[in-house]
Amino acid sequence: DTEVTQTPKHLVMGMTNKKSLKCEQHMGHRAMYWYKQKAKKPPELMFVYSYEKLSINESVPSRFSPECPNSSLLNLHLHALQPEDSALYLCASSQVNRADYEQYFGPGTRLTVT
Amino acid sequence: GQQLNQSPQSMFIQEGEDVSMNCTSSSIFNTWLWYKQDPGEGPVLLIALYKAGELTSNGRLTAQFGITRKDSFLNISASIPSDVGIYFCAGQGGATNKLIFGTGTLLAVQP
Repeated sequence: DTEVTQTPKHLVMGMTNKKSLKCEQHMGHRAMYWYKQKAKKPPELMFVYSYEKLSINESVPSRFSPECPNSSLLNLHLHALQPEDSALYLCASSQVNRADYEQYFGPGTRLTVT
Repeated sequence: GQQLNQSPQSMFIQEGEDVSMNCTSSSIFNTWLWYKQDPGEGPVLLIALYKAGELTSNGRLTAQFGITRKDSFLNISASIPSDVGIYFCAGQGGATNKLIFGTGTLLAVQP
């Protein structure tokens, strides 16, 4: 099973709202990722968690706050977003060992900030 | 952020034609991955390559890890309408498991 699930599929939020994106995987992967993707562009890495600890933050604004409650779950908390934050947000997971870098992506959450 | 050079940027072909695309980098990579993304969906992993010179197939898809470790190629034989989408290469090198993505190739297949 190579499935990564994400909820919600679509989200519309105002600039003063607080919302959360959720991601789940049951492949036993210990690395999980958040990416942001604009239309017709490649995914841009935001955060990496390795063994439930934040290992990479690609200088993401603090209005995006990641959380990894356990090895299967990854959340992205959103607060005071800007319209330019509208994008497809992708979660991915992979093994951590150095021989296997295959990342498996979820279907994404389409976020619109109004 | 850093991106890989991927070409062509787009391709418009007839059903049944073969397709070739490639990615090049100024840096050496240890791993090359190829993904396909349909509109509004997440990228789906097609092929993973781990060794310089490696040639790997997945059905009608064949990918190669360049011998210099700075490039990779993807071929699709006998294209069909469901091959339509954006194809991304991704490379991994160095001490982290960060992937560097190519700029993408948009493939359109006319029946």
